Amino acid sequence: EIVLTQSPATLSLSPGERATLSCRASQSVGNYVAWYQHKRGQPPRLLFYDASNRATGIPARFSGSGFGTDFTLTISSLEPEDFAVYYCQHRGNWPPLTFGGGTKVEIK
Amino acid sequence: QVQLVQSGAEVKKPGASVRVSCKASGYTFPSYGVTWVRQAAGQGLEWMGWISAYSGNTDYAQKLQGRVTMTVDTYTRTAYMELRSLRSDDTAIYYCARDHPHSVYYFDYWGQGTLVTVSP
Repeated sequence: EIVLTQSPATLSLSPGERATLSCRASQSVGNYVAWYQHKRGQPPRLLFYDASNRATGIPARFSGSGFGTDFTLTISSLEPEDFAVYYCQHRGNWPPLTFGGGTKVEIK
Repeated sequence: QVQLVQSGAEVKKPGASVRVSCKASGYTFPSYGVTWVRQAAGQGLEWMGWISAYSGNTDYAQKLQGRVTMTVDTYTRTAYMELRSLRSDDTAIYYCARDHPHSVYYFDYWGQGTLVTVSP
């Protein structure tokens, strides 16, 4: 079973700063990784699929990259609404998908 | 517009069963699979399983095999998730989500979530 490890667990930043979130897979997963933003009281929101394909309506300050075992979600300049928990997710053969443990982006 | 509307909160006793519904609108229901994900308080997202709304084929997470059943009713455009033999650690928010048009197992639309509380 593929394990996704996200780091850091918590990222304390100020609005306007750059956020860099990491997701590492226990073995190569090609580009089969998605990123979600999750705010309290709301369902998760798809940001990227296949590592770097931006989902509909996602602002350009978000970018996704990576291949193989190392993936990155970057927020170039944090807006107040970007403070949330971010999850990476792998899709594969079996189990069909797994989530990382999440990175909380909090206001410093 | 695409919407997934879930049934309301449930309170159940240990050992009971719960069924959560997820009514879809705004798209061709049989064309997309539906997955169920849950989140316990203070925990991350946990995938529970997936069902094809076309064929009814399912994939379940190994830890829930034997306790979970997912079904769809294409006439009412509704997906269902039943979890049996409930335990306190099943207390969580349960979400349904639709497959992304690009591929299965990415999810672009989600239900609002259903809180299931298991308590004596």
